[in-house]
Amino acid sequence: EVQLVESGGGLVQPGGSLRLSCAASGFTFRTYWMNWVRQAPGKGLEWVANIKQDGSEKYYGDSVKGRFTISRDNAKNSLYLQMNSLRGEDTAVYYCVRDEGYCTGGVCYLLFDYWGQGTLVTVSS
Amino acid sequence: AIQMTQSPSSLSASVGDRVTITCRASQGIRKDLGWYQQKPGKAPKLLIYAASSLQTGVPSRFSGSGSGTDFSLTVSSLQPEDSATYYCLQDFDYPVTFGGGTKVEIK
Repeated sequence: EVQLVESGGGLVQPGGSLRLSCAASGFTFRTYWMNWVRQAPGKGLEWVANIKQDGSEKYYGDSVKGRFTISRDNAKNSLYLQMNSLRGEDTAVYYCVRDEGYCTGGVCYLLFDYWGQGTLVTVSS
Repeated sequence: AIQMTQSPSSLSASVGDRVTITCRASQGIRKDLGWYQQKPGKAPKLLIYAASSLQTGVPSRFSGSGSGTDFSLTVSSLQPEDSATYYCLQDFDYPVTFGGGTKVEIK
């Protein structure tokens, strides 16, 4: 059974830092792109970042670029999100998401097929 | 970044109704679009990928169509368990972007 379990959320002051972790099990972690997606309270979904299987490619949303860093440890089946210079608008539930990926005819599509339960990050003084 | 505009933002329909949600991209995105369903307090669930491909295990009453800039998600016969918020997502270019969501309520 595929499981994604996030941890590391909590209350942090504006300007502070936090590191989220995601423990993956039930699948061959090293063969999948992985993502972070967040949702502010009562708001819609926002893609945060993703990382290639070997960590050689990383992409970020505009609102977190330069402040957040995604990383992974395939030996530990773990995904991470280092969040620096946190702002109130970063308050959200952060989901760890697997990308199954589907390629056909030279085009590849994202398939966010498994999501964790989320961890809440609250940025407030 | 590519903007994804969903409409309507909310709707109310009866069981058995045919319901259609639309998503418009600010530029052409081929068929690089997915649809997700989210129920309160739960993580989103993938329904459709590549604009019209049904994810394994998703009921056949859900269907997707469109290409370029205009897309739609249709529920052919609305069921009580379909009460949820639906989001489109474009993966044509980074950053990946979601639509604002459509909340579907059952009358």
